Amino acid sequence: EVQLVESGGGLVQPGRSLRLSCTASGFTGSRFTFGDYAMSWFRRAPGKGLEWVGLIRNKLYGGATEYAASVKGRFTISRDDSKSIAYLQMNSLKIEDTAVYYCARRSGGYEDFDYWGQGTLVTVSS
Amino acid sequence: QSVLTQPPSVSGAPGQRVTISCTGSSSNIGAGYDVHWYQQLPGTGPKLLIYAHNNRPSGIPDRFSGSKSGTSASLSITGLQAEDEGDYYCQSYDSSLNEVVFGGGTKLTVL
Repeated sequence: EVQLVESGGGLVQPGRSLRLSCTASGFTGSRFTFGDYAMSWFRRAPGKGLEWVGLIRNKLYGGATEYAASVKGRFTISRDDSKSIAYLQMNSLKIEDTAVYYCARRSGGYEDFDYWGQGTLVTVSS
Repeated sequence: QSVLTQPPSVSGAPGQRVTISCTGSSSNIGAGYDVHWYQQLPGTGPKLLIYAHNNRPSGIPDRFSGSKSGTSASLSITGLQAEDEGDYYCQSYDSSLNEVVFGGGTKLTVL
């Protein structure tokens, strides 16, 4: 079964940077590999609901990226298909970026997100 | 303010049925974009419950069902169980924003 594990969260000061990783496993034996899927990042701020952060398409689409307006220009998503890892580089962090960050795999069918990680907490505070 | 509107909370007794609504607009649900539903239990990551309006992934019991009509969608849960307590989110795509969008989430309490 596919598993996604986020890492890299922690306490960071406003204006600084942080990079999160999403390591995938469980593709062994499947006809599809990590590189065949688009991967997305989401977040849930304290007391709030889920928010989409951005997405990176698969190799067929050249790994093109899309971002929510709230993070565009500050956050960058990348991937290393050889290591089955997706990254979220967060620059110029703001207090309002404090949240649990999740990665998820976009299914190949209906653009739902069929596998999610447990999340990693990012706290932006001075 | 979420693009998709859900009730903040619903509740029901064990064994009962509850329905959670998700109201959108002509740029998302009404434009024909698929609606998906997720369950998030305390301390865990979200879990896909329903995809493309009314399809259940493998392993999701048939107590969970979805529907869509016009600019709205709904999730129904029958035979409520204590372990169903958690937050439920609808999700679609908005062509005006060019973003994946969510409802604000609905907290389900099993009485």
